[in-house]
Amino acid sequence: AQSVTQLGSHVSVSEGALVLLRCNYSSSVPPYLFWYVQYPNQGLQLLLKYTSAATLVKGINGFEAEFKKSETSFHLTKPSAHMSDAAEYFCAVSDRGRGGYQKVTFGTGTKLQVIP
Amino acid sequence: DSGVTQTPKHLITATGQRVTLRCSPRSGDLSVYWYQQSLDQGLQFLIQYYNGEERAKGNILERFSAQQFPDLHSELNLSSLELGDSALYFCASSVAGSSNEKLFFGSGTQLSVL
Repeated sequence: AQSVTQLGSHVSVSEGALVLLRCNYSSSVPPYLFWYVQYPNQGLQLLLKYTSAATLVKGINGFEAEFKKSETSFHLTKPSAHMSDAAEYFCAVSDRGRGGYQKVTFGTGTKLQVIP
Repeated sequence: DSGVTQTPKHLITATGQRVTLRCSPRSGDLSVYWYQQSLDQGLQFLIQYYNGEERAKGNILERFSAQQFPDLHSELNLSSLELGDSALYFCASSVAGSSNEKLFFGSGTQLSVL
């Protein structure tokens, strides 16, 4: 069964500092991996996704993630945090469910706090 | 704006009652998903429909049911409500429900069971 583990339910960084949000996955087949962001009182929005084309994936708002098969990791990074990055971030893994349809499993989320 | 519309935004009801949550997917999307988000369980997949047919089932209780109609909108029915059913319920949609597709999420329905 597929799963993702997000290390750290809360992460605090200073404005301008590096953002690193950790995600490790478990999947019996090569996975599709996603990072979603949830701002207060809103639904989730896709930041980026990995679909095996390139191991370094660039997303919106300056975020990127690197797929490392040997470490089963898909950590999310951003070189310089902005106040507007404060939100909750979810890592997700997608595997083929029965019939080939999408079954997405989300991690427990990491709340990012950006300190001025 | 994701293009996914959920109504109502907030719902307050009592234990033992039944409620219906509604979702209109993004124009052109054939697949609809329902998720439950709570503080203790996180984001839990409930069920997925594709073009009117159930395609995948997650941690959905027997007291809960869903359907997708010919116009592709979906409803999630929650019955015999318990305090523990209080949560944020999200609907998401995608074009075809394939494994590598992006999900578009609605803003959710906040259900409070008193």
